[in-house]
Amino acid sequence: DTGVSQDPRHKITKRGQNVTFRCDPISEHNRLYWYRQTLGQGPEFLTYFQNEAQLEKSRLLSDRFSAERPKGSFSTLEIQRTEQGDSAMYLCASSFPGANVLTFGAGSRLTVL
Amino acid sequence: QQPVQSPQAVILREGEDAVINCSSSKALYSVHWYRQKHGEAPVFLMILLKGGEQKGHEKISASFNEKKQQSSLYLTASQLSYSGTYFCGTPINAGNNRKLIWGLGTSLAVNP
Repeated sequence: DTGVSQDPRHKITKRGQNVTFRCDPISEHNRLYWYRQTLGQGPEFLTYFQNEAQLEKSRLLSDRFSAERPKGSFSTLEIQRTEQGDSAMYLCASSFPGANVLTFGAGSRLTVL
Repeated sequence: QQPVQSPQAVILREGEDAVINCSSSKALYSVHWYRQKHGEAPVFLMILLKGGEQKGHEKISASFNEKKQQSSLYLTASQLSYSGTYFCGTPINAGNNRKLIWGLGTSLAVNP
C-alpha cells in the first residue's frame, strides 16, 4: 500500500461539462475526507465518510457536487455542470478511526475553461 | 473562523531558525500542523491537544497556548528539505477533529 491515490491528477474541462474524481484511501482507514484547495489558500473541508456513510457535508458542497463511497473503500467526487469557480485542487485524505492524523493524496487539479 | 498565520512568507538560509505563528479569535481545542511542498500532498507534522503542550518532530517543535488562542511552530537549524508551505488547522467544532478549518499558510523557502 503506497498511500492515498487520486485519479486523474489533472483534468481540463469546458464549462458545463461533468467531471468525476476518484480516491483510493489507505486500505485500513475507514474514514475518508474530501477537501478543496485554491491557489494561496488552505484546504477547505467538503465532506467526510465513515465507511460507506457520508456523515458530514460542507455548505460549500452545492447541489452540483456529489460524493459517494459505495463499498466503504474508494470514493468518487462528481461535479456536474462545471463552472470556472470550480477550478481548484481537490484533495482526498483518509484516517484510522479515532485518529487525528490525516493522510492526504496528491490531489486532482481541475481547470475549467 | 479561519486561523490567522504569520508571517505570510519567510526566506531563510540553511541553518537559520524561524517561527511561524497561528492564532484564532475563537477558542482553540487543538492545533494541527501540516507542510505542503509545491505540487504535493500536505503532510502531517504534529498535533497539539492541550494548552501549553509542546511537541517535537526532528528539529521542528511547536507550542500551544490555549489562553492566548495561539500556537507557534519553531524550525531550528533549517534544512533545504524544510521548504514548503506550512498550514495550521483547527477543529471547526470542539471534539470534532475530523473537520478542520485551515489558515492561509506560511510559505518557507530555505536557500543554500
